[in-house]
Amino acid sequence: GQNIDQPTEMTATEGAIVQINCTYQTSGFNGLFWYQQHAGEAPTFLSYNVLDGLEEKGRFSSFLSRSKGYSYLLLKELQMKDSASYLCAVCTGGGNKLTFGTGTQLKVEL
Amino acid sequence: EPEVTQTPSHQVTQMGQEVILRCVPISNHLYFYWYRQILGQKVEFLVSFYNNEISEKSEIFDDQFSVERPDGSNFTLKIRSTKLEDSAMYFCASSLDGGGETQYFGPGTRLLVL
Repeated sequence: GQNIDQPTEMTATEGAIVQINCTYQTSGFNGLFWYQQHAGEAPTFLSYNVLDGLEEKGRFSSFLSRSKGYSYLLLKELQMKDSASYLCAVCTGGGNKLTFGTGTQLKVEL
Repeated sequence: EPEVTQTPSHQVTQMGQEVILRCVPISNHLYFYWYRQILGQKVEFLVSFYNNEISEKSEIFDDQFSVERPDGSNFTLKIRSTKLEDSAMYFCASSLDGGGETQYFGPGTRLLVL
């Protein structure tokens, strides 16, 4: 089966840096995705890792260690609009299925 | 920028009724998906679809569910006889290809079964 764990909630200050961790145990691996989801809205794509290492994309970076079954999303220069749920999802199988974690609700405060 | 679109945005139905949720994937994408999210819970995979057939389905996707690509642009999810527990947000997604290609999600249809 698939198991994905991430913290339920985090709080950070505007302008700061926050790291959201995700650990996973899956059978098969086609890559790991991070999505952002505001309440009542669709998940929107943030980043994708399939090889070990760091992928940087503006204020967002994501890291993957396949041997450890571990990823993190790093958000820099936090803005109030970054308050949202951050979803870790692992892609597996020929059907390209995404298995999501429960999401980490990030609250950015002044 | 191309987007996945879904209709309707909200649907209210009586238990036991059939509903059809509609999606228009991004035009050059080849893989299509349905996911659902019960209020306050995580996003769950229902089914993936490629080359006019189901590639993979979850345990949730039982005989009450079916998918269809009736023409070159639409992708539908039918629930034959709705149950109270089918109340959720249903997201359609599409990707250019399989093998870890990014899936882009539509805005969702909020289904309420009474």
